[in-house]
Amino acid sequence: AQTVTQSQPEMSVQEAETVTLSCTYDTSESNYYLFWYKQPPSRQMILVIRQEAYKQQNATENRFSVNFQKAAKSFSLKISDSQLGDTAMYFCAFMKGLSGGYQKVTFGTGTKLQVIP
Amino acid sequence: AAGVIQSPRHLIKEKRETATLKCYPIPRHDTVYWYQQGPGQDPQFLISFYEKMQSDKGSIPDRFSAQQFSDYHSELNMSSLELGDSALYFCASSAADRGPKETQYFGPGTRLLVL
Repeated sequence: AQTVTQSQPEMSVQEAETVTLSCTYDTSESNYYLFWYKQPPSRQMILVIRQEAYKQQNATENRFSVNFQKAAKSFSLKISDSQLGDTAMYFCAFMKGLSGGYQKVTFGTGTKLQVIP
Repeated sequence: AAGVIQSPRHLIKEKRETATLKCYPIPRHDTVYWYQQGPGQDPQFLISFYEKMQSDKGSIPDRFSAQQFSDYHSELNMSSLELGDSALYFCASSAADRGPKETQYFGPGTRLLVL
């Protein structure tokens, strides 16, 4: 079974600063996908960024980027130029990359990020 | 772009009552997933359907059942409700026939409160 660990229950960052959220995972799979989802106070689950394990290049989406270290099974999220709207719970998530695309997503316990004006 | 639609958005039930949650996937998505998120917890996978067949099952109580219909919408039926069933229930959809690279997109969730 896969496990996803987020060791930072809460973090805060000043507006316009940069913050990094940590995530480690454990799996015996060689093909998988990793995600960061954002859940603001509305509790909508919003995809922030995704990474295919077979890709060595780190994914980036505007102000969001990841540091994917496959050997270390680490997948951190960096948010640059933090904005007030980034205040949310952030979940790191894992999905197997087996054939037959219907694979469940396993979530970490989340990191609550507060952006301070 | 069209998103996943869930109804109702909020639901209040008494203990031992029955509830039905509905999910309408993104057009042309053939796979539906249900997740349960308790207060202060991460979402937990319940069950999924691919092409109207159950594809995977997680920690779904026997009191719950679900199905996917010919139009790909899905319903989660919950009977003999308990206080501990109070949670946010997410539905997600993906186009699984295009392979696992397809991301799951989540609906807004249904907030169920059992009194």
